[in-house]
Amino acid sequence: DAGVTQSPTHLIKTRGQHVTLRCSPISGHKSVSWYQQVLGQGPQFIFQYYEKEERGRGNFPDRFSARQFPNYSSELNVNALLLGDSALYLCASSLEGQSSYNEQFFGPGTRLTVL
Amino acid sequence: DQQVKQNSPSLSVQEGRISILNCDYTNSMFDYFLWYKKYPAEGPTFLISISSIKDKNEDGRFTVFLNKSAKHLSLHIVPSQPGDSAVYFCAASVSDYKLSFGAGTTVTVRA
Repeated sequence: DAGVTQSPTHLIKTRGQHVTLRCSPISGHKSVSWYQQVLGQGPQFIFQYYEKEERGRGNFPDRFSARQFPNYSSELNVNALLLGDSALYLCASSLEGQSSYNEQFFGPGTRLTVL
Repeated sequence: DQQVKQNSPSLSVQEGRISILNCDYTNSMFDYFLWYKKYPAEGPTFLISISSIKDKNEDGRFTVFLNKSAKHLSLHIVPSQPGDSAVYFCAASVSDYKLSFGAGTTVTVRA
């Protein structure tokens, strides 16, 4: 079975641009979470979506937005990119969104570089 | 504010010996703790977890210990194998979906 897939794998943007990152969850999983991992730090929670609704949001500015589609895939959008947005963006899927007791499966991530 | 801390950025251990990874947390509301393992160019993979109602959970070579009074947990890997060389993340949650991660510990197992 395919795991969580993310596209693209790498991306280079310049300051001020916007970017869209994509995630396909494991088949049957209805919840998708997004995390940002800056070099040298652990992943930081950005969003969680369950059944196409936002369930939670981390401490990120409004430049970050996301959505989930009827097939449970998800997009993360970041506007007005800053140098500090350079990071590995991880997507995780789980069966349900009620609790972290439902194991979260992570994709390989998208490496975003902002110049 | 970093609520989960892994103060050792790296650990080197000889093959066959025990690896002990430590993690401290500040939020007393955390009730579920997890360890993830990450290889380069891959996403983190779940390793083992423990609920706050327990103080020990074992799965094969991996054992997690939780000391709630000290707000401390540790991961023991016995015996360490070359394939265990990876970055290990400690994570915690408050009965919800949001995981708070530590900065990670890079483990190198020497032959």
